[in-house]
Order: sequence, then C-alpha cells, then structure tokens
Amino acid sequence: NAGVTQTPKFQVLKTGQSMTLQCAQDMNHEYMSWYRQDPGMGLRLIHYSVGAGITDQGEVPNGYNVSRSTTEDFPLRLLSAAPSQTSVYFCASSSQGGGKPQHFGDGTRLSIL
Amino acid sequence: QKEVEQDPGPLSVPEGAIVSLNCTYSNSAFQYFMWYRQYSRKGPELLMYTYSSGNKEDGRFTAQVDKSSKYISLFIRDSQPSDSATYLCAMIFPSGGSYIPTFGRGTSLIVHP
Repeated sequence: NAGVTQTPKFQVLKTGQSMTLQCAQDMNHEYMSWYRQDPGMGLRLIHYSVGAGITDQGEVPNGYNVSRSTTEDFPLRLLSAAPSQTSVYFCASSSQGGGKPQHFGDGTRLSIL
Repeated sequence: QKEVEQDPGPLSVPEGAIVSLNCTYSNSAFQYFMWYRQYSRKGPELLMYTYSSGNKEDGRFTAQVDKSSKYISLFIRDSQPSDSATYLCAMIFPSGGSYIPTFGRGTSLIVHP
C-alpha cells in the first residue's frame, strides 16, 4: 500500500508561473485535503474535498484551485505563483468524517523566486 | 492571539523519561482534539484523537483533555530516541457543515540515549 503519494517532492518556480501539485491515495478515502506548512506556523488548510465532484475552501484558499474528478486524485493548482506561496505543501486523506486528516503524504517543497 | 498555543521547544529528555507535551486553546467550541507526530522531512502521522474530556490511552501514549481549562496534553511513557520528532496538536469545531482543523505550531522533542 502506497498510502498518500505526492509529486513532485521539490519544485522551484518563478513568480507568475503556474503549476499543479499532484496527490493520489490508494485507500479509497472519501475525504482529502491540502495544507501548507510554514516556519513558526501550524499547518493551515487550503482546500478540501468530501468526495468526487465536491470541493470547498479552507482557511487560506486564495491563489489556489482544486478539483476532484476521481476518489483517488486531488490535484492542487497554483494559478500565478507568488513568493508568499513558498512553503511545504501536504496532502492528506481520511476515511473518517469531521475533517480529521489521518494519512499525510511526505510533502512537496515549493520555492517561488 | 492564536487560537491554539503550543510551546515550540525544543524539549530535551533522557531515554526512559515520561514526556508531557501541552497545548492551550481559546475557543471553547473546539470538539475534536488530535495529536500528530512529524519526523523531519516527512508528513505528520496521526497518533491519537479524542472528542471528550478525560484520558485516552494507546500503548505508551496517553492523551488528556481538560475542556474546563482549555488544555490538552500528550504523555509519552518510557520515551525512546525514536520518539524524537515534532509533535503537533490540532483541534476542530464544526461550523456550518465545515470542519477546518486548527493546528498548533508543534513542539520539538529530543530523546537522548
């Protein structure tokens, strides 16, 4: 079982570029979510999905888009990268309701120059 | 004032010690309480969650919630060097059908042989 897989592990972008962070899980979990982790701050929820075709905003959604066409995949798109989006991004999934993330990927480290 | 306060540490203890990790919170509406362990360069791992006041035990770990004092703790018995990691607390309150977790900044724990 791979669990939650995130790609790429590292990425450097220039300001204004767009990119998609990939997230896939093989546990058939309905609930998936994206977080960012910045030094000195806790994890912050960007977007989440309670099932295929359903997404909603978290605490810090501006500058990011998501879609959920399948149960397995939940990509995060940066529309026009800004230096403030330099962070470590984590994808998580859960079989339980109530927003309690159970399984996290190992993160994508993103630098915006 | 941040809703969830957690001392970043580092907390350094000798192997075999009992470790106490703590978080305080200000929002009395929080209903679910979680503890995660995060090793360097890895995603968080859910250790325990609870939704009621009192103690919950799982092996060497005990989670304690005191809603009257707005205080939660994680105790680690017989600590091992492999317990060296950052420990994150998180809390959720349901709001309009949304469940957005609020994380603490994490406490770095070092268990030395």
